[in-house]
Amino acid sequence: GAVVSQHPSWVICKSGTSVKIECRSLDFQATTMFWYRQFPKQSLMLMATSNEGSKATYEQGVEKDKFLINHASLTLSTLTVTSAHPEDSSFYICSANRDLYNEQFFGPGTRLTVL
Amino acid sequence: SQQGEEDPQALSIQEGENATMNCSYKTSINNLQWYRQNSGRGLVHLILIRSNEREKHSGRLRVTLDTSKKSSSLLITASRAADTASYFCAPASGSARQLTFGSGTQLTVLP
Repeated sequence: GAVVSQHPSWVICKSGTSVKIECRSLDFQATTMFWYRQFPKQSLMLMATSNEGSKATYEQGVEKDKFLINHASLTLSTLTVTSAHPEDSSFYICSANRDLYNEQFFGPGTRLTVL
Repeated sequence: SQQGEEDPQALSIQEGENATMNCSYKTSINNLQWYRQNSGRGLVHLILIRSNEREKHSGRLRVTLDTSKKSSSLLITASRAADTASYFCAPASGSARQLTFGSGTQLTVLP
């Protein structure tokens, strides 16, 4: 149990386009999901907290107009990278909080490459 | 949220040996989670240990928690090459659900 999926697993796009990444909790409901970004050889950096039915909370330095987050249901959160640029190329990982015991489970990540 | 500090930064052992990595944190916690990350992959949840627990086992994994020293350890017994990965600890306090990650311990198990 406690599986989190992400789609797509990788995406290559041209500069200026928008990319949507989906995060789903497959066998549990998640009121809260999180989005992280990881650059090569670095640790995960929290970008934002996604709460079902309300606006996301962004970490300092993360542009909310560039990284649009929607958490429309208890099993789905989406991250849209708008007008992507090469510096947005990174590994994006989501996680979902299973309320019982407050465990957090991570998706397999999405590799975004912006040309 | 608070960040756990893993130690050592890197560990290289032979297959079959045990691997121990440590985590220290600064303020009291409700629980602490350990994760594994293979290169280019997401994090795999290994174990959650609550503040009122001192030790927890899962297969070849053994996690201890010493709240008086604000530290935790992860022991992997009879290591395998497939255990090669980065390992992260994530302490959680209060009602906060955000996790903050340190640099992790890069474990290399040599065949």
